[in-house]
Amino acid sequence: DIQMTQSPASLSASLGETVTIECRASEDIYNGLAWYQQKPGKSPQLLIYNANSLHTGVPSRFSGSGSGTQYSLKINSLQSEDVASYFCQQYYDYPWTFGGGTKLELK
Amino acid sequence: QVKLLQSGAALVKPGASVKMSCKASGYTFTDYWVSWVKQSHGKSLEWIGEIYPNSGATNFNEKFKGKATLTVDKSTSTAYMELSRLTSEDSAIYYCTRGSVFDYWGQGVMVTVSS
Repeated sequence: DIQMTQSPASLSASLGETVTIECRASEDIYNGLAWYQQKPGKSPQLLIYNANSLHTGVPSRFSGSGSGTQYSLKINSLQSEDVASYFCQQYYDYPWTFGGGTKLELK
Repeated sequence: QVKLLQSGAALVKPGASVKMSCKASGYTFTDYWVSWVKQSHGKSLEWIGEIYPNSGATNFNEKFKGKATLTVDKSTSTAYMELSRLTSEDSAIYYCTRGSVFDYWGQGVMVTVSS
């Protein structure tokens, strides 16, 4: 199975700050990577797919980048509604696997 | 609009089985894979498996083979997952989702295994 290692596990940032979350795959996943946001008590929501494509309706302050085994999610100008957990997921090879998650809080 | 409506929470005894449903609307049910994802205690996510409603073809995470059974009813656009021989390790929230990139999610079913 492809292991997805996400960092950091938790993150505290101020409003308006830029935040970056990293995801490393145990092998090349050829941009088969998605990012999800999960708010407390809610289902995960798709933010980014194909490593850098913004899902419909997602604010443009979210962006994804990377290639090979290294990927990142960037949130520009952090808003209060961005407080959530974030997960990466690879869909290059079965079984689909997720990173361990990053919990983002306000400082 | 696309919606995945899941059945309600379940309290089940150890050793028993539970079957949950996921009713799709707002899109052509037979055109997309339906996946099931487990989330234990607010932690990370595990992909259980997927089913293609048009053919009934399935793919599973090896970890969940023998534990989960996936079926569909095309006439009602509903996907089902049955979990068998339940233990406390199966207590979790289970989500249905659409596709391999999970663009839409159900609201989740909380399963509690307790005597």
